[in-house]
Amino acid sequence: ETGVTQSPTHLIKTRGQQVTLRCSSQSGHNTVSWYQQALGQGPQFIFQYYREEENGRGNFPPRFSGLQFPNYSSELNVNALELDDSALYLCASSATGDATNEKLFFGSGTQLSVL
Amino acid sequence: AQRVTQPEKLLSVFKGAPVELKCNYSYSGSPELFWYVQYSRQRLQLLLRHISRESIKGFTADLNKGETSFHLKKPFAQEEDSAMYYCAVYGGSQGNLIFGKGTKLSVKP
Repeated sequence: ETGVTQSPTHLIKTRGQQVTLRCSSQSGHNTVSWYQQALGQGPQFIFQYYREEENGRGNFPPRFSGLQFPNYSSELNVNALELDDSALYLCASSATGDATNEKLFFGSGTQLSVL
Repeated sequence: AQRVTQPEKLLSVFKGAPVELKCNYSYSGSPELFWYVQYSRQRLQLLLRHISRESIKGFTADLNKGETSFHLKKPFAQEEDSAMYYCAVYGGSQGNLIFGKGTKLSVKP
């Protein structure tokens, strides 16, 4: 069983640039959620994708967008990067997307630094 | 607004001592609560969830709706319990878990 994998592990960008982060879900999982974890904080929900459609969104501006592909892998895109976007970005997959009943399986994250 | 509060950033106990990690929540409706754990150099993983009423690695957590709490307890701490612990509540939309800021548990020999 393959776990959740994220790439890249680290990334440095400058303010105003755009970034794409990638996530491969665990085998058999069709739902991917993205979380932002700032230093010293808990993870904060960005959005979730289920069967290639956005299925829930947290309090993040439209410059945070995503995609899910037919193989259930996913991308997180952030446009017009700001210094406050510096954080660990976590991807989590689950079998049905129902957080009340399903375990979320997290990846190791992508550490984004915006200079 | 839904919110999870973990009042202790750091909790340090000796091996064999009881441990209680505090979690208070703010949620309208019937909450679903979780504890996630992150051991050193490992990824965030589910420890236990209220809905399952389970005990994992000797840890239990009881939902107290009157006090809006979901404290994590273990009667005898082990050194391998040292980790970062996050309490989370289901936020009401698909996939939306609201996490607290976490408590770092350090179990000393």
